[in-house]
Amino acid sequence: DAGVIQSPRHEVTEMGQEVTLRCKPISGHDYLFWYRQTMMRGLELLIYFNNNVPIDDSGMPEDRFSAKMPNASFSTLKIQPSEPRDSAVYFCASRLQGSGNTIYFGEGSWLTVV
Amino acid sequence: GENVEQHPSTLSVQEGDSAVIKCTYSDSASNYFPWYKQELGKGPQLIIDIRSNVGEKKDQRIAVTLNKTAKHFSLHITETQPEDSAVYFCAASRDASGTYKYIFGTGTRLKVLA
Repeated sequence: DAGVIQSPRHEVTEMGQEVTLRCKPISGHDYLFWYRQTMMRGLELLIYFNNNVPIDDSGMPEDRFSAKMPNASFSTLKIQPSEPRDSAVYFCASRLQGSGNTIYFGEGSWLTVV
Repeated sequence: GENVEQHPSTLSVQEGDSAVIKCTYSDSASNYFPWYKQELGKGPQLIIDIRSNVGEKKDQRIAVTLNKTAKHFSLHITETQPEDSAVYFCAASRDASGTYKYIFGTGTRLKVLA
């Protein structure tokens, strides 16, 4: 049973470059979440989708961040231009309404901006 | 705003001893409280959860207790083993609010010493 799949697992990029993180939620799940994890701020919810529609993006730090979900099996989180303070682990997670409240996390994308 | 405080930030115990991690939440409307375990290089995984209509829940060596009046909940791990070493996160959520937003604690790094 495949879990949430994220790519890339690790990314090192130079400041100013565009970064695209990808996520495939668990098949059939109707909620998708993007979280960011840092030592200073812990786990922060950036944005979440329900049935591919963005519901709450109040956690997106600034306009440099954008997220899309073109279909039920794919989402992207884009940072353009990237800055060193964006260095963090970005997690995608998904959930199925009616299955309790359990959110299943992917293994994360470790981003380093130099 | 809503927040969840988690203590301690680090915890070392001898193998076989018990470990207790405590969380306090601010949003009195919270009624769902999951605990996640995050191993190095992995995404958080749900280990146990509790809803507000229950005061205690057990699953083998893991138990969670909830005091709604005091707005705090705790994770108890008995007979700890080296493989319990990880970072543990508590979270609080308004289950029925429709937002499905988890507010996470800052994490506890548990080390079980062999």
